[in-house]
This record gives sequence, structure tokens and C-alpha cells, in this order.
Amino acid sequence: DAGVTQSPTHLIKTRGQHVTLRCSPISGHKSVSWYQQVLGQGPQFIFQYYEKEERGRGNFPDRFSARQFPNYSSELNVNALLLGDSALYLCASRPGQGAHGYTFGSGTRLTVV
Amino acid sequence: DQQVKQNSPSLSVQEGRISILNCDYTNSMFDYFLWYKKYPAEGPTFLISISSIKDKNEDGRFTVFLNKSAKHLSLHIVPSQPGDSAVYFCAASRDGSSNTGKLIFGQGTTLQVKP
Repeated sequence: DAGVTQSPTHLIKTRGQHVTLRCSPISGHKSVSWYQQVLGQGPQFIFQYYEKEERGRGNFPDRFSARQFPNYSSELNVNALLLGDSALYLCASRPGQGAHGYTFGSGTRLTVV
Repeated sequence: DQQVKQNSPSLSVQEGRISILNCDYTNSMFDYFLWYKKYPAEGPTFLISISSIKDKNEDGRFTVFLNKSAKHLSLHIVPSQPGDSAVYFCAASRDGSSNTGKLIFGQGTTLQVKP
């Protein structure tokens, strides 16, 4: 079975630009979460979506937004990119809301120059 | 405010010996704890977890111990193997956050197991 897939794997953007990151969860998983991992730190929670609705939001500015589609895939959008947005963005899926068993994708490495 | 802390950035052990990775937390509302392993260029992989109603959980070579009074958990790997070399993250969630999907991670500990 395919795991959590994220695209693209690497991305370079210029300050002020917009970026869209994509995630396809494991088949049957309805919940998708997004995390940001800055070098030398642990992942930080950005969003969780379940059944196409936002169910949780971390301490990130409004420049960060996300959505989940009917097939449970998800997009993370970041507007007006800053140098500090350079990080590994991880997507994780799980079967439902009550499960603790998150499976992570390999991430998208975003570099803002 | 770092609610989950892994104070040792790195740990080096000899193959066959025990590896002990430590994690401290500050929020007494956390009720579930997880350990993830991460290799370079890969996402974190779930290793083992423990509920706050237990003080020990074992899975093969991996055992997690939870000391609620000290707000401390540890991961023991016995015997350590070179393939265990990776970054280890502990993570915590609190009652109700099973709905929000929020895990709070520590900074990670890089384990090196020498042959």
C-alpha cells in the first residue's frame, strides 16, 4: 500500500511569493495534519483537517491556509513567503479523529530566498 | 514555551548496549505520549506509544517508561543496533486533542550506534 505522499519533494521560492504543497493520505485515512519542521527543531503543528473541515489550528499566521478535498487529499498554502518559512513541511494522516496513529509523509523541503 | 523537551541533542552508544533517550514535559494535561524515529530525507516513523494510565509499554527491543509524577518519559532500546541510528522525537497529546490532531514534539535526540 502507498504511504502518505507529498509533492513536490523540494521547492525554492522567492520572498513574497505564494506556494502550494500537496498531500495524499493513506487510502482510507480521512484525517490529515500539517506540520512545519525547522532545522534543529521538532515538527510544529499547523493544521488538522477531518472530513474536509478544519478541526485544529496551530500558532501560525493567517498567511498559512489549507483545505481538504472530497478524496481526502489536502493542500497547504502559504502566502507572502518570508525567509523564516524555509522548513520541511510534513503531512500526516490517520484513519479518524480518535486515533493517535499518525503516519507521516517524507515532506516537502521549502527554501525561501 | 517548550512543553516537551529533549535535553540531550545527541547520544552515542556501542552496538549491543542499551540506548536510553529521555524526554520531559510540563503540561500535566498530556495523556498520550509517542516516540518517532526519523532518518534523513524521510518523514518521522512511529515507534512506540504509551497512555498516561500506564507506566510501561514494551514492543520488542523498545520499551517506553512513563513517570507522571516527574513528568518524564524515557525510551530504552536493547540491544542497540547500527540501524537504530536516527533522530528520535518524543511527542505528546492532551485530552481532547485527539480531535484537533495536535501532537507537541520535542526537539529531537540524534542517536548514533557504533558498530
